[in-house]
Amino acid sequence: DVKVTQSSRYLVKRTGEKVFLECVQDMDHENMFWYRQDPGLGLRLIYFSYDVKMKEKGDIPEGYSVSREKKERFSLILESASTNQTSMYLCASSLSPGLASRNEQFFGPGTRLTVL
Amino acid sequence: GDSVTQMEGPVTLSEEAFLTINCTYTATGYPSLFWYVQYPGEGLQLLLKATKADDKGSNKGFEATYRKETTSFHLEKGSVQVSDSAVYFCALSPTSYGKLTFGQGTILTVHP
Repeated sequence: DVKVTQSSRYLVKRTGEKVFLECVQDMDHENMFWYRQDPGLGLRLIYFSYDVKMKEKGDIPEGYSVSREKKERFSLILESASTNQTSMYLCASSLSPGLASRNEQFFGPGTRLTVL
Repeated sequence: GDSVTQMEGPVTLSEEAFLTINCTYTATGYPSLFWYVQYPGEGLQLLLKATKADDKGSNKGFEATYRKETTSFHLEKGSVQVSDSAVYFCALSPTSYGKLTFGQGTILTVHP
């Protein structure tokens, strides 16, 4: 089974702090994704990566950056945390889609971040 | 741009009731369509999918049919259980990198 793990389930930080959220997958997937989940808004894509050291902006990249130095690890960075970044953050991974059926994404359990 | 619209929630049902959660989409071309489920305290997991028009995805008693003429992918189950209580997300994937566009999610609560 694919396993996607995230470094913390719950995190509390102060405004202005630099925050690192880590995600690791164990199935050699090429693609990795970071979403935030807010009530009534569903999941919104922040960044994604389709290869090591490659990254693409998603729908809401402002205030975030990412790093992918190894294939299995994808980090989300909040350079200076703000209260409006309080949210649930979900990481996902998928195989490189040569076929539409490969587009299934596998999700981690999420990190609930509170910025005070 | 691509978008997914789900029926307004939350939905509250009694055990063994019939479930329908509506999902409509806007996309160019021929996207793949998915239903994901999120149980309390967990991440999302794939419930079912359909990759072309008229395909029916099914899993755990849930079904959804890809209707291109109505741009819909409604989720149905004939008899819900308390254990089906969760948040359900409709999603589509049109791009070569497998990006997903999600609906806003529908909270389902099933009472005994």
